[in-house]
Amino acid sequence: AQSVTQPDIHITVSEGASLELRCNYSYGATPYLFWYVQSPGQGLQLLLKYFSGDTLVQGIKGFEAEFKRSQSSFNLRKPSVHWSDAAEYFCAVVDLSNTGKLIFGQGTTLQVKP
Amino acid sequence: DVKVTQSSRYLVKRTGEKVFLECVQDMDHENMFWYRQDPGLGLRLIYFSYDVKMKEKGDIPEGYSVSREKKERFSLILESASTNQTSMYLCASAEVGPMNTEAFFGQGTRLTVV
Repeated sequence: AQSVTQPDIHITVSEGASLELRCNYSYGATPYLFWYVQSPGQGLQLLLKYFSGDTLVQGIKGFEAEFKRSQSSFNLRKPSVHWSDAAEYFCAVVDLSNTGKLIFGQGTTLQVKP
Repeated sequence: DVKVTQSSRYLVKRTGEKVFLECVQDMDHENMFWYRQDPGLGLRLIYFSYDVKMKEKGDIPEGYSVSREKKERFSLILESASTNQTSMYLCASAEVGPMNTEAFFGQGTRLTVV
């Protein structure tokens, strides 16, 4: 069965430090992968997506993610975190029917220390 | 700008009440979704609709039903609200294509059942 795992429930980093959020997937074909961010009390905003091609994907707000098929991973990175990046982050994959149904990981809450 | 609008941000209902959560999209998407978000569980699909009057159960449909009478509107119905349905509910609509699938989310409705 398809699944997405985010191993880290909660991460704390200092402002200005680098960030990496982990995402692993289990999928029977080439996955369509997404990272979403959710600020407190808000809906989900798309950060970036991967369909094919270049395995390093650039997104909004200075985020990037790298697709590694051999490791079944799609980790999200940012070189220098800002206090406004504190939020919950979700990794997701479109299910095999490609109807737009998303399978989500459990989410990672990012706290930023001043 | 793309928009998915949920009719309420916060709702408080009593056990046993029939509850309607409304969602409207302005993008002419055929596919719409209702997800439930709980801490540590990520988002889980309740129901999915791929056309007017067409629906499909998701992973956790028990205790819920849906209605799609018009393309732009997708309603989630709690037939008899229970306290274990206290949660955040997110509506989404999706643009679907071979290389450009993307889901757009509403702001969410935080439902409390007392």
